[in-house]
Amino acid sequence: EAQVTQNPRYLITVTGKKLTVTCSQNMNHEYMSWYRQDPGLGLRQIYYSMNVEVTDKGDVPEGYKVSRKEKRNFPLILESPSPNQTSLYFCASSLSHTTGNTEAFFGQGTRLTVV
Amino acid sequence: GESVGLHLPTLSVQEGDNSIINCAYSNSASDYFIWYKQESGKGPQFIIDIRSNMDKRQGQRVTVLLNKTVKHLSLQIAATQPGDSAVYFCAAGRRGSYIPTFGRGTSLIVHP
Repeated sequence: EAQVTQNPRYLITVTGKKLTVTCSQNMNHEYMSWYRQDPGLGLRQIYYSMNVEVTDKGDVPEGYKVSRKEKRNFPLILESPSPNQTSLYFCASSLSHTTGNTEAFFGQGTRLTVV
Repeated sequence: GESVGLHLPTLSVQEGDNSIINCAYSNSASDYFIWYKQESGKGPQFIIDIRSNMDKRQGQRVTVLLNKTVKHLSLQIAATQPGDSAVYFCAAGRRGSYIPTFGRGTSLIVHP
């Protein structure tokens, strides 16, 4: 089954404790991205990756890091989480933007609470 | 910068009626537009997209209309069913840009 898998689904952590949210897709997609979803603000892109070892900032990259060492994985790293990073996070993948394909597949989401 | 907004935060309809969800965008350079559906507890799911060189596109029970003159697009759902209850987002993007801008979402409530 084609899917994007995020882990964990729920996470409560304390300020300053480094954490990683994993994302994996099994569709051989080139393009992957991370979003956060906050009430009243919709989905905002944090980082994206066009292919292995190619990443770039989205609209709200501050406080986040990503890496793309393999095509299937795109982890989101919070080196020193703060309460304002409490949010619902989504990973997404799509075939390739350069082909004009806009269909993105989203993971189930990770609800992060930073206290 | 780009802004994308939906006209109504909530839309209530009766089962079997047609639903119309509207969206406005600000950037006339937007090249593609996408509609997503998000059910409670799940990630957004692609419904349909439309390019700026089109003004209408149809899918299964859904139609998207694009009016570039007034920078407006709509999603029409025919014969709305309870399973259509969800939050619907529109998103707009420019060719070569990897950062689509999402609207805030309209919650569609279908009453049996």
